[in-house]
Amino acid sequence: EVQLVQSGAEVKKPGESLKISCKGSGYSFTSYWIAWVRQMPGKGLEWMGIIYPGDSDTRYSPSFQGQVTISADKSINTAYLQWSSLKASDTAMYYCARQIGRVTHVDYWGQGTLVTVSS
Amino acid sequence: DIVMTQSPDSLAVSLGERATINCKSSQSVLYSSNNKNYLAWYQQKPGQPPKLLISWASTRESGVPDRFSGSGSGTDFTLTISSLQAEDVAVYYCQQYYFTPQFTFGPGTKVDIK
Repeated sequence: EVQLVQSGAEVKKPGESLKISCKGSGYSFTSYWIAWVRQMPGKGLEWMGIIYPGDSDTRYSPSFQGQVTISADKSINTAYLQWSSLKASDTAMYYCARQIGRVTHVDYWGQGTLVTVSS
Repeated sequence: DIVMTQSPDSLAVSLGERATINCKSSQSVLYSSNNKNYLAWYQQKPGQPPKLLISWASTRESGVPDRFSGSGSGTDFTLTISSLQAEDVAVYYCQQYYFTPQFTFGPGTKVDIK
């Protein structure tokens, strides 16, 4: 069974750094892309970027380029999304999802990680 | 930037009746080399992650009830729920995955029971 298990909810202050994770199981982690998707409170879905854990090839949506860093550790089947300096506007639910190819849809989703940034 | 729009923003349908959601992209997502539309539909129930219903505009995922169907090509697409069930109450999103690296979602359509 394909599973993507994300790290738990985080509460941070503006200016702090953060790294959240997404662990894949039940499939060949290095053979599929992992996408990150943001959902701000009460809002829709925003595709942030993808990474291919096999070789760490990473692509960012222009809207998120320079704002976040996507990485992966294939030795532990885990992808990451990180911020160096959080802002209140980063408050959102963040989902990881398996993307079949570089130019395809996502098929399986993680449960989401709620990030709250507040002073 | 490619822009995805959906209509209506919300709709309420009686149980057993048809629900129709429209999605329009600002540019064609039909790839002529393989004649595939790079368009997916997702369902998101409250408090849950999205779930893939349909890919390539009309290919229903395994396990998705056959009351869900997708149609359309180029810039105009439709998700149809042929006979609405109580468990179909959700927000539905379309997504284009043609224009990399920005795979835009539509704003969502909320479906409720009338």
